[in-house]
Amino acid sequence: ILNVEQSPQSLHVQEGDSTNFTCSFPSSNFYALHWYRWETAKSPEALFVMTLNGDEKKKGRISATLNTKEGYSYLYIKGSQPEDSATYLCAFLPNTGNQFYFGTGTSLTVIP
Amino acid sequence: ETGVTQTPRHLVMGMTNKKSLKCEQHLGHNAMYWYKQSAKKPLELMFVYNFKEQTENNSVPSRFSPECPNSSHLFLHLHTLQPEDSALYLCASSQTSGRGDTQYFGPGTRLTVL
Repeated sequence: ILNVEQSPQSLHVQEGDSTNFTCSFPSSNFYALHWYRWETAKSPEALFVMTLNGDEKKKGRISATLNTKEGYSYLYIKGSQPEDSATYLCAFLPNTGNQFYFGTGTSLTVIP
Repeated sequence: ETGVTQTPRHLVMGMTNKKSLKCEQHLGHNAMYWYKQSAKKPLELMFVYNFKEQTENNSVPSRFSPECPNSSHLFLHLHTLQPEDSALYLCASSQTSGRGDTQYFGPGTRLTVL
C-alpha cells in the first residue's frame, strides 16, 4: 500500500481568505495525480489531472501545482467563499498498475 | 438522471441479513469500481470491472459479492456482514480501466451493520 498524505486534516478560514493545502506522495514512481472536491452528501467531483512536473492547473479561483521530484502537490484557493466548503481529496497513480491511492482529504470550512 | 447514481443512500442491516447496493452510470463508460471508505481512512479500492469483466479484486472477503450485468450497472451483494463493515461505499465509473482515466463517483451508500 502506497502512502499518500494530505495536510492539514481540516482547516477553517474566513470568507475572502486565501488558503492552500498539500498532498504528499512517493516521488519515485509517479504517473499522475488527481484532485477531487467532495461536498458533504454529494459525489466527489474531479477538479484537476496533474501529470507533468511543474504542471500548474487553474479552474476559477482554484489552482494546483505539482512537484514530482519532491513528491507533493499544492491546491490553492484564492478568496475563499462559503461554497468552497468541502473535502479536497488527492489520488495518486503510480507508474505500475492502474490503482489510485487516495489521501484522507483536507476538510475546508469557509466561515461567512 | 446524469452522472453516477447509487441506491440506497443509507442502509442499516443486521449481521444475518442479505442486501444489495446498486450503482448506475449514465456516462457511457466501460469501467466501474467499488470503493470502501471507513471512518478516518482513505478510499480503498474493492473491485474493478472493465467491459463487464472483473479485472480486480483487492482481497475483499467473500461476504461482499459484486455483479456487473452490463457496462451501466454494478451491484454489491452483501451477506453475513460484520459491524466493522460499516462504512461509506462509493461506486465510480471511467471510460475504461486504463491508466489515468478520470473516475466519476456516485454519492455513496452509508452502510451500518448492527
